[in-house]
Amino acid sequence: DGGITQSPKYLFRKEGQNVTLSCEQNLNHDAMYWYRQDPGQGLRLIYYSQIVNDFQKGDIAEGYSVSREKKESFPLTVTSAQKNPTAFYLCASSNWRERGAGEQFFGPGTRLTVL
Amino acid sequence: AQTVTQSQPEMSVQEAETVTLSCTYDTSESNYYLFWYKQPPSRQMILVIRQEAYKQQNATENRFSVNFQKAAKSFSLKISDSQLGDTAMYFCAFMKQPGGSEKLVFGKGMKLTVNP
Repeated sequence: DGGITQSPKYLFRKEGQNVTLSCEQNLNHDAMYWYRQDPGQGLRLIYYSQIVNDFQKGDIAEGYSVSREKKESFPLTVTSAQKNPTAFYLCASSNWRERGAGEQFFGPGTRLTVL
Repeated sequence: AQTVTQSQPEMSVQEAETVTLSCTYDTSESNYYLFWYKQPPSRQMILVIRQEAYKQQNATENRFSVNFQKAAKSFSLKISDSQLGDTAMYFCAFMKQPGGSEKLVFGKGMKLTVNP
């Protein structure tokens, strides 16, 4: 089945540590996105990538980093510079080349808790 | 910059009734897409319905329909014959005409509870 997988489902981190969240898709989509969800805040865009080896900052990129070495993968690293990293993280992908599309497909999410 | 506003943080409805969720947005774009996403307790985001701004006809997907008022920048979602499985967070979202760099801008969401 085609879809987006995120791992792990739950992640615990000590303060001062970097941690990497995995996102993989087998939908053959060019674009991938990372969102952060906090209670009462909706979803906010962290980073996005339209094609391999290219990515852009979203609205809240500070303290985060990404890479896009493969079309299928878009890992997110939460660095120690992120002041309040405890949140629910969602990865998404879309086929922006398809005219009239626009729909983003989401993974199941990763809940990150800083201890 | 585009903004999306969902003014009702929470609503409840009885099973089998109809409920309308409101959403307004602000943009200077003429071509864009609007979406309603559903996030049930599992937290999986699911697309409910999509509306292209250039289409005058309101989108419909089974029990879900929208009332798109472009001049008023309003995009409400109507759920008919509400079911217990409709209990979820609902997010309204905006996207400029897809073309490679367009991003989704989300509202803060609204919690809908369907009571038996």
